[in-house]
Amino acid sequence: KAGVTQTPRYLIKTRGQQVTLSCSPISGHRSVSWYQQTPGQGLQFLFEYFSETQRNKGNFPGRFSGRQFSNSRSEMNVSTLELGDSALYLCASSLTQLETQYFGPGTRLLVL
Amino acid sequence: DQQVKQNSPSLSVQEGRISILNCDYTNSMFDYFLWYKKYPAEGPTFLISISSIKDKNEDGRFTVFLNKSAKHLSLHIVPSQPGDSAVYFCAARGDFGNEKLTFGTGTRLTIIP
Repeated sequence: KAGVTQTPRYLIKTRGQQVTLSCSPISGHRSVSWYQQTPGQGLQFLFEYFSETQRNKGNFPGRFSGRQFSNSRSEMNVSTLELGDSALYLCASSLTQLETQYFGPGTRLLVL
Repeated sequence: DQQVKQNSPSLSVQEGRISILNCDYTNSMFDYFLWYKKYPAEGPTFLISISSIKDKNEDGRFTVFLNKSAKHLSLHIVPSQPGDSAVYFCAARGDFGNEKLTFGTGTRLTIIP
């Protein structure tokens, strides 16, 4: 069974731009969560989607948004990029919200 | 407010010896705990988990111990191998309504050949 895939793997943007990241979960998984990892900060929870509905949200500004499609694929969008948004963005999928989460390889975003 | 804490940013262990990674939590609503391992430029890989109804769970060389009264868990790796060198994250979550995973900041484990 194929794992979680994320595209693109690397991205360079400039301040003020917006970006959309994509995540395809493991087949059959309906829950998708997004995390931001920065040096020394561990993984910070962004939001979680289940059956196209946002079920949980972390403490990030409204510039960070996401959605989930009927095939469980998910996208996250960051508008008006700031230098501090440079990070590794990880997507994880699970069968349901209470099952083990499996991570994709991440998208490395650099904001200049 | 760091609800899951890994107080050792790094740990070095001789190959063949036991590696012990520690994690403390503050939220008494957490009832499920996981350990993930992460190599550079890759996403975290699930290692082992434990429910709050247990105090120990084993999977091969990996054992997780949970002390609920102390709000402390630990991951034991025996014997340690060079391929175990990675960053290890402890994570915790609650039940319905509190399902989001909260991660610690990680411990970098280096196995010395």
